[in-house]
Amino acid sequence: QKEVEQDPGPLSVPEGAIVSLNCTYSNSAFQYFMWYRQYSRKGPELLMYTYSSGNKEDGRFTAQVDKSSKYISLFIRDSQPSDSATYLCAMSAVASGGSYIPTFGRGTSLIVHP
Amino acid sequence: DTEVTQTPKHLVMGMTNKKSLKCEQHMGHRAMYWYKQKAKKPPELMFVYSYEKLSINESVPSRFSPECPNSSLLNLHLHALQPEDSALYLCASSQRGLREGENEQFFGPGTRLTVL
Repeated sequence: QKEVEQDPGPLSVPEGAIVSLNCTYSNSAFQYFMWYRQYSRKGPELLMYTYSSGNKEDGRFTAQVDKSSKYISLFIRDSQPSDSATYLCAMSAVASGGSYIPTFGRGTSLIVHP
Repeated sequence: DTEVTQTPKHLVMGMTNKKSLKCEQHMGHRAMYWYKQKAKKPPELMFVYSYEKLSINESVPSRFSPECPNSSLLNLHLHALQPEDSALYLCASSQRGLREGENEQFFGPGTRLTVL
């Protein structure tokens, strides 16, 4: 079992839909959770960064962490064609040697069609 | 300046060539990273510099040689690469040193490398 599981998709939705992207993980030590957006052939862009359980909202994006279920989500409201990209989850804990190197999911490809 | 820059954007090289990738950030970040990313895969960590010292080397072949000349610059020297090394090479930086706490990473746009 991989440490971080993420469905690669593609997930295809109509413009204006609410999108739900998810990751599950097995390492209960993960404390920091991130979502990145990556357009084709570009570098990942940090969207959301959360610590421990709970919700965090930023504009049309809401990140949700449920540590008891080892499950994180990213919701996108009023999705736009410009949201079409690959969304990577990442999470980190204090590893051996005290480093906080993130572990990435494989990414979910999102397509928002007009 | 709030971004990580990488040059070149694209690079095509033969297996006998020597080339270098460059990364720069002026955000005062203390840790810098090299990742390799293949199509439809997540980034794979290669090297980490923290306070200009090589802190992590993820068993990367010696044909990849990192260098951190100063706190703002990170290079990746390439020599005798193989076609399977073709990938997007990403540089990232984070505010704190590697062992100083949570550390969200900011990525550059990447260098698209093709080895013929």
